[in-house]
Amino acid sequence: GDSVTQMEGPVTLSEEAFLTINCTYTATGYPSLFWYVQYPGEGLQLLLKATKADDKGSNKGFEATYRKETTSFHLEKGSVQVSDSAVYFCALGGRGGSNYKLTFGKGTLLTVNP
Amino acid sequence: DAGVTQSPTHLIKTRGQQVTLRCSPKSGHDTVSWYQQALGQGPQFIFQYYEEEERQRGNFPDRFSGHQFPNYSSELNVNALLLGDSALYLCASSGNGNYNSPLHFGNGTRLTVT
Repeated sequence: GDSVTQMEGPVTLSEEAFLTINCTYTATGYPSLFWYVQYPGEGLQLLLKATKADDKGSNKGFEATYRKETTSFHLEKGSVQVSDSAVYFCALGGRGGSNYKLTFGKGTLLTVNP
Repeated sequence: DAGVTQSPTHLIKTRGQQVTLRCSPKSGHDTVSWYQQALGQGPQFIFQYYEEEERQRGNFPDRFSGHQFPNYSSELNVNALLLGDSALYLCASSGNGNYNSPLHFGNGTRLTVT
């Protein structure tokens, strides 16, 4: 069945450091890929998505590229801020951006220190 | 404009009991999905309701059931509670019945089974 494996945390960085959170997936067909973020005390929010191979999703300085050849969707940000401290989830959905039945990774806790 | 609201926020039940969790979708949304998030894990899809019908179901036993009302609000019922049912239960709503309409998550109900 479908599955998502993401980098174990926690990850601790200093402000302005470069961030990478690795995510790989196993799926049949043409899945869509998502990154969700959960800030302390808040619900999950969609950060970015990509619906087909080679698409790049971006939002708030975060980027991720859908790589079908390596079945990966790594999250990157060039310069993190304290306000980026949160739990990040990689998720797999259906074709064409379908998100009615998402498969999530375990989440990666990011802490950014000033 | 209220987002997705869930009640109660916390709940403690005894093994073998039954529990009902409630969700009000974001205004204008007609589709409700439920997820279970165990401690240290990513959310797992339970089921989705649209037009008062269960449209899709994840790998959960029949002890988990749901309902959607004409005003689009939803309930999740769990019978014969097990210790392993202790988790954060998340509700997500989306609009127009489209499979790729963005999901909006509530803050969840924390269920503890003793």
